[in-house]
Amino acid sequence: GAVVSQHPSWVICKSGTSVKIECRSLDFQATTMFWYRQFPKQSLMLMATSNEGSKATYEQGVEKDKFLINHASLTLSTLTVTSAHPEDSSFYICSALDTASTDTQYFGPGTRLTVL
Amino acid sequence: QKEVEQNSGPLSVPEGAIASLNCTYSDRGSQSFFWYRQYSGKSPELIMFIYSNGDKEDGRFTAQLNKASQYVSLLIRDSQPSDSATYLCAVSGGKLIFGQGTELSVKP
Repeated sequence: GAVVSQHPSWVICKSGTSVKIECRSLDFQATTMFWYRQFPKQSLMLMATSNEGSKATYEQGVEKDKFLINHASLTLSTLTVTSAHPEDSSFYICSALDTASTDTQYFGPGTRLTVL
Repeated sequence: QKEVEQNSGPLSVPEGAIASLNCTYSDRGSQSFFWYRQYSGKSPELIMFIYSNGDKEDGRFTAQLNKASQYVSLLIRDSQPSDSATYLCAVSGGKLIFGQGTELSVKP
């Protein structure tokens, strides 16, 4: 099956710093990737849709200046949490859309962010 | 507002039984339907996708789709304790619309 990786798998940072999370599709090209956030015991929340070579589309209520998304290649999208604060601590998960075969989203393993 | 509804559970079944998970969706024009499994603290893992009315089987899993009733289900035969997880129904309309998930507990 299609494989999506994320790096890092976990990160702890101080309040006010920025954190970059990478999402890679390893065995397929993904023109579209998605970024989700999930708090404990809650549902996945879509943050933004990332399209290769164009600006990301953010969901309502998600601050685009705080969560910077770059999708510079067909296999890599990055999410940068700028000036992170403790309330940004969450589980961030990316997915990549495999349009070449089944139009299916495959999820990365997630990145657990803790802001102190 | 496109919606996907699932019973939140928890659904508890004994080991070896059939677990039946159900999902309804509001957008009659939906074409692609997915079931994901999510273990606690992990990301969702694709179990099955289905596009056509009827049944689709993969090992112990069977997905059933009825577009007229706007209903999709997942059957897990010979349930195992390792199947204990939250099962997410998702409908694709460009981006995935998820149900709230059904928590399944398989008791030994």
